[in-house]
Amino acid sequence: DAGVIQSPRHEVTEMGQEVTLRCKPISGHNSLFWYRQTMMRGLELLIYFNNNVPIDDSGMPEDRFSAKMPNASFSTLKIQPSEPRDSAVYFCASRIAGVLSGTGELFFGEGSRLTVL
Amino acid sequence: AQSVSQHNHHVILSEAASLELGCNYSYGGTVNLFWYVQYPGQHLQLLLKYFSGDPLVKGIKGFEAEFIKSKFSFNLRKPSVQWSDTAEYFCAVNAKGSSNTGKLIFGQGTTLQVKP
Repeated sequence: DAGVIQSPRHEVTEMGQEVTLRCKPISGHNSLFWYRQTMMRGLELLIYFNNNVPIDDSGMPEDRFSAKMPNASFSTLKIQPSEPRDSAVYFCASRIAGVLSGTGELFFGEGSRLTVL
Repeated sequence: AQSVSQHNHHVILSEAASLELGCNYSYGGTVNLFWYVQYPGQHLQLLLKYFSGDPLVKGIKGFEAEFIKSKFSFNLRKPSVQWSDTAEYFCAVNAKGSSNTGKLIFGQGTTLQVKP
């Protein structure tokens, strides 16, 4: 079975450029999370969606960051304009959420390593 | 707001030594608890999880964790570590609401280095 698929795996860009990270959750999963991992701050939750609706975006650093989930099989995280401090590994994860189903376990993608010069 | 605290940031052990990594959470309600492992250069993978029932949970690769509700703790243990256990370990908590839709919050992680 395909897991969570993220692209690109690596991106190097210059400060000021727009960055778009993509995620395809596991089929049938209805909850999707975006995390950012850095040495200094560890694993930070940026935003999560249930049934394509953003539930909590309090972790999004600032207005330069935006996330969308236009349908159940696709989500994007966009940074515009990018800055060197945005350099990190961005993980997407999905799970089944609901009262009568699911175990709460998150399945992670391989991550997108972003370097902003 | 819920939070997770992992006390050990960096642990160095020799092979065959016993391991215990501390994890405490702050949340007054019912929780689901997890330990994830991240091997060098890889994504996070689930080691074990607690939802209900027996507070002693056994996971993959000989790991186990004990949920002590009175102490808000979920410490990870392994009787004898191997060099291949070198990785970063994350404790996580999911507040259990009426719909199990809460966000999963991770601790800062503990880097385990096992010397051969």
